[in-house]
Amino acid sequence: AQTVTQSQPEMSVQEAETVTLSCTYDTSESNYYLFWYKQPPSRQMILVIRQEAYKQQNATENRFSVNFQKAAKSFSLKISDSQLGDTAMYFCAFMKHGGGADGLTFGKGTHLIIQP
Amino acid sequence: DADVTQTPRNRITKTGKRIMLECSQTKGHDRMYWYRQDPGLGLRLIYYSFDVKDINKGEISDGYSVSRQAQAKFSLSLESAIPNQTALYFCATRGQSTDTQYFGPGTRLTVL
Repeated sequence: AQTVTQSQPEMSVQEAETVTLSCTYDTSESNYYLFWYKQPPSRQMILVIRQEAYKQQNATENRFSVNFQKAAKSFSLKISDSQLGDTAMYFCAFMKHGGGADGLTFGKGTHLIIQP
Repeated sequence: DADVTQTPRNRITKTGKRIMLECSQTKGHDRMYWYRQDPGLGLRLIYYSFDVKDINKGEISDGYSVSRQAQAKFSLSLESAIPNQTALYFCATRGQSTDTQYFGPGTRLTVL
């Protein structure tokens, strides 16, 4: 079974600053996917960024980027030029590639607050 | 229109009542999922379905049942609701050729 750990229950930064959210995971799988989801107060789950484990290049989506360290089983999310609309819960999630048990394994989340 | 819809969006019920949460999707995806979210615990998988004839238990299936009425519809039932089933419930879908799950808006269920 996989586990995902987010060690920062809450973080607060000033608008326009850069912030990094931490995520570590434990798995015996060699091929898998990692995701960051955002959940604003509207409670909708929104995909922020995804990473395929077999790709060494870190994924980037506009102001969002990841630092994927496969050997260390670490998958952090960096938000550059943070905006008030980035205030939300952020969840790190793992999914095994291939057949068998399916579904996402989530961390407990980090509540990110962007201060004006 | 939203690709993944859930009904109802909010529901308050009493202990012992039977309740059904419904999920519909227009994405044409074959895989559908039900998750439960509790404060401080993230989301946990209840059930998942690869197609109409293939339904599988997830991490926390006790006290729940599901029905895949069609490729586009996946319902979650609580046969006899109890207060610790009070939570936010999400449906999600995924296509066979993709790795990304798409979530519905969630149903907030309160069991008194």
